[in-house]
Amino acid sequence: EVVLTQSPGTLSLSPGERASLSCRASQSVSSSHLAWYQQKPGQAPRLLIFDASSRATGIPDRFSGSGSGTDFTLTISRLEPEDFAVYYCQHYGSSSYTFGQGTKLEIK
Amino acid sequence: QVQLVESGGALVKPGGSLRLSCAASGFTFSDYYMSWIRQAPGKGLEWVSYISGISNTYTNYADSVKGRFTISRDNAKNSLYLQMNSLRSEDTAVYYCARDNCRGGRCFEDFWGQGTLVTVSS
Repeated sequence: EVVLTQSPGTLSLSPGERASLSCRASQSVSSSHLAWYQQKPGQAPRLLIFDASSRATGIPDRFSGSGSGTDFTLTISRLEPEDFAVYYCQHYGSSSYTFGQGTKLEIK
Repeated sequence: QVQLVESGGALVKPGGSLRLSCAASGFTFSDYYMSWIRQAPGKGLEWVSYISGISNTYTNYADSVKGRFTISRDNAKNSLYLQMNSLRSEDTAVYYCARDNCRGGRCFEDFWGQGTLVTVSS
């Protein structure tokens, strides 16, 4: 089973700044089967990125995903107030899914 | 638009059973794999189980629930279920129903319900 480690645990930034969130896999993730989700307090997760770099429908272009193999990054180019939330990466394998432990993006 | 509405969450004693339901609308339910994913209070996300679409042929479970939980669906009713037996305190969580978007045999969750809370406590 692939283990995903997200860093940092908490990221404190100001609106307008650039955010880079890391997700590292314990083994190479084939064909970039890596997704990113955003979760706000009291809400369900929302899909942002799939296949490592494809934006989901309706997701603003300030969100971008990159990486391959074992190292993946979610970048938010210019933070808006509504972007402060918890972000999870997910590996969708052939028979099971695993999530990272999450990165909390908070207002500095 | 896609809607997923979970129900059935409750307070249950350890060793007890519970059945969760998820009512789907806004898409052709039988065309999609579906999953249950849970989140313990203040914790991260944990995939629980998935089931294939029209054929109901394929199911899979996390090791933590294998042998205790059973996923099923009724395509005529556009509904997904999770039968949970032998519940433990560590099963306490919000349970989300999610639609799977599958490409080349690999699936991610593109729509999620709002969740239903299951509390296992004496």
